[in-house]
Amino acid sequence: AQSVTQLGSHVSVSEGALVLLRCNYSSSVPPYLFWYVQYPNQGLQLLLKYTSAATLVKGINGFEAEFKKSETSFHLTKPSAHMSDAAEYFCAVSRDGMGTYKYIFGTGTRLKVLA
Amino acid sequence: DAMVIQNPRYQVTQFGKPVTLSCSQTLNHNVMYWYQQKSSQAPKLLFHYYDKDFNNEADTPDNFQSRRPNTSFCFLDIRSPGLGDAAMYLCATSGTGTSGLTRHTQYFGPGTRLTVL
Repeated sequence: AQSVTQLGSHVSVSEGALVLLRCNYSSSVPPYLFWYVQYPNQGLQLLLKYTSAATLVKGINGFEAEFKKSETSFHLTKPSAHMSDAAEYFCAVSRDGMGTYKYIFGTGTRLKVLA
Repeated sequence: DAMVIQNPRYQVTQFGKPVTLSCSQTLNHNVMYWYQQKSSQAPKLLFHYYDKDFNNEADTPDNFQSRRPNTSFCFLDIRSPGLGDAAMYLCATSGTGTSGLTRHTQYFGPGTRLTVL
């Protein structure tokens, strides 16, 4: 069965430090991969999405993610954390044949940025 | 800007009193989804519409119903809200097209926070 694992339900980084949020998926077929950010009492905002055109995907707010097929990973990074990055981050997977365009979400990672 | 709109943003209802949450979209997308999200959890899909075709998740309680009168609007009806139904309700849409990525990308509204007293 398809699954998504986000290692670390809580991650703390200092302002200006590297942000690394981990996402691994299980699929025999490369899926469609997404990262979303959710601020308190808000909906999910699309950060970036994987296209097969490139393994390194750039998103909004300075985030990027690298698709590594051999590791079945799609980790999210940002070189320098900002206080405004504090939020919940969700990795999601979708693929043809799963059922009409449904997502499988990871459990989420709450990012805390320390001053 | 094309977007997904949810009204109201905050809804308070009483135990057992029916409530309707609204979602509209200006993206002209074929697929609309309703999710329930409880605190510190990932969103949980309740059901979705592909055009007028309704698709219910197997574990969605009968207490939850949905209507989609046209492409732009979708409603979530909770017939008899219980305390356990207090949550954030998220509406999302996805489009069609030749690109698989276009079909699979979901766009979310700001959510409705439901409180049950």
